[in-house]
Amino acid sequence: EVQLLESGGDLVQPGGSLRLACAASGLTFSTYTLSWVRQAPGKGPEWVSGVSGSGGYTYYADSVKGRFTISRDNSKNTLYLQMNSLTVDDTAVYYCAKAGVYATGYFDLWGRGTLVTVSS
Amino acid sequence: EIVLTQSPGTLSLSPGERATLSCRASQSVSSSYLAWYQQKPGQAPGLLIYGASRRATGIPDRFSGSGSGTDFTLTISRLEPEDFAVYYCQQYGSSPWTFGQGTKVEIK
Repeated sequence: EVQLLESGGDLVQPGGSLRLACAASGLTFSTYTLSWVRQAPGKGPEWVSGVSGSGGYTYYADSVKGRFTISRDNSKNTLYLQMNSLTVDDTAVYYCAKAGVYATGYFDLWGRGTLVTVSS
Repeated sequence: EIVLTQSPGTLSLSPGERATLSCRASQSVSSSYLAWYQQKPGQAPGLLIYGASRRATGIPDRFSGSGSGTDFTLTISRLEPEDFAVYYCQQYGSSPWTFGQGTKVEIK
């Protein structure tokens, strides 16, 4: 079965750091661009960051640029998101999402998500 | 960045009725790079439509997408009980990729 499984979400204080991971199975991992998409409570999704299949190209939303770092380990079929200088506005469910076959910007496979809560 | 505005915010319909959801972009979406997702409570969004009108794998043909430029529509021809959910549009023609705020389709 093709699936993505996120982990690492937690309660963290403002200014703190957290590292999320997304383990993939059932797909040729290095073939696909992957992204992190977050969804704050009661809001629509927000694309956060993406990385090419090789890991050579990375992309960020302005809201996280300079604070978040996306990376991947194709030998472990795992995607990461290092989040630093967290603020309350970063509170959300974070989803790992796989790009579609025909373009890199839509998402045809999502994980179940991991909850990040930033609060004092 | 391209802002997507979805309307209406909530659509109250009965099973068997037709649903028409609108997504308007603040500027033209290049190459009709517009997708639609369905989200049920406690679940991740699931892809319905990409390229404005192409159904994703396994999506029933009662779901159809249309539009170009700045105006896009998702139509559900006859609502089934499992179709009551929140629907989001997303553009991927211009970085950053952006989503609309959603339309909730609820049972009347």
